[in-house]
Amino acid sequence: DQQVKQNSPSLSVQEGRISILNCDYTNSMFDYFLWYKKYPAEGPTFLISISSIKDKNEDGRFTVFLNKSAKHLSLHIVPSQPGDSAVYFCAANRMEYGNKLVFGAGTILRVKS
Amino acid sequence: DAGVIQSPRHEVTEMGQEVTLRCKPISGHNSLFWYRQTMMRGLELLIYFNNNVPIDDSGMPEDRFSAKMPNASFSTLKIQPSEPRDSAVYFCASSTDRGRKSSGNTIYFGEGSWLTVV
Repeated sequence: DQQVKQNSPSLSVQEGRISILNCDYTNSMFDYFLWYKKYPAEGPTFLISISSIKDKNEDGRFTVFLNKSAKHLSLHIVPSQPGDSAVYFCAANRMEYGNKLVFGAGTILRVKS
Repeated sequence: DAGVIQSPRHEVTEMGQEVTLRCKPISGHNSLFWYRQTMMRGLELLIYFNNNVPIDDSGMPEDRFSAKMPNASFSTLKIQPSEPRDSAVYFCASSTDRGRKSSGNTIYFGEGSWLTVV
């Protein structure tokens, strides 16, 4: 029973264009959402997060949008750069879980130069 | 600052052998997590410790898996006996829950232990 789903296993984007990575969740009790980025042979690293009381959070080239009614969030990267090529994991958390994060399966992003 | 330290980085073992993965969390962190990454399921939480106590082990696949955290600076994940389907990357992660930041509950991952069971 996957509570966090990333339905696109991979995405290919041209350098300079926008990358949009999508994530859906089933548990309406989640109150924090995070994106992690993972390069090969390294551990995932935190990228950006959003509280359920917000619908948008921006950090430089990265913006996360949250649509609670649709139980959907997305990560926008503008402009995309070759160094953004990595696996992106969506994760969700409930305060009652402590710091336990539930992750999606990941989306491989490839930015072509 | 030292991050989460895992050992070994790579392990190749024969089916039936015991495997022990080790983790040193970030100093001062009081939550520790063991995750497993596979192609099909992404990052699965195996077990979660808080203040050295196992809080949620519902993700541990079966009795062949066990985890311990004898003190705040060390944890082990043991597989006995190992099977080929256990081949995966095992990540340890840690965090602090002393005060929830507005940016969310960030957990910090080690570089992973790549396990191959043949």
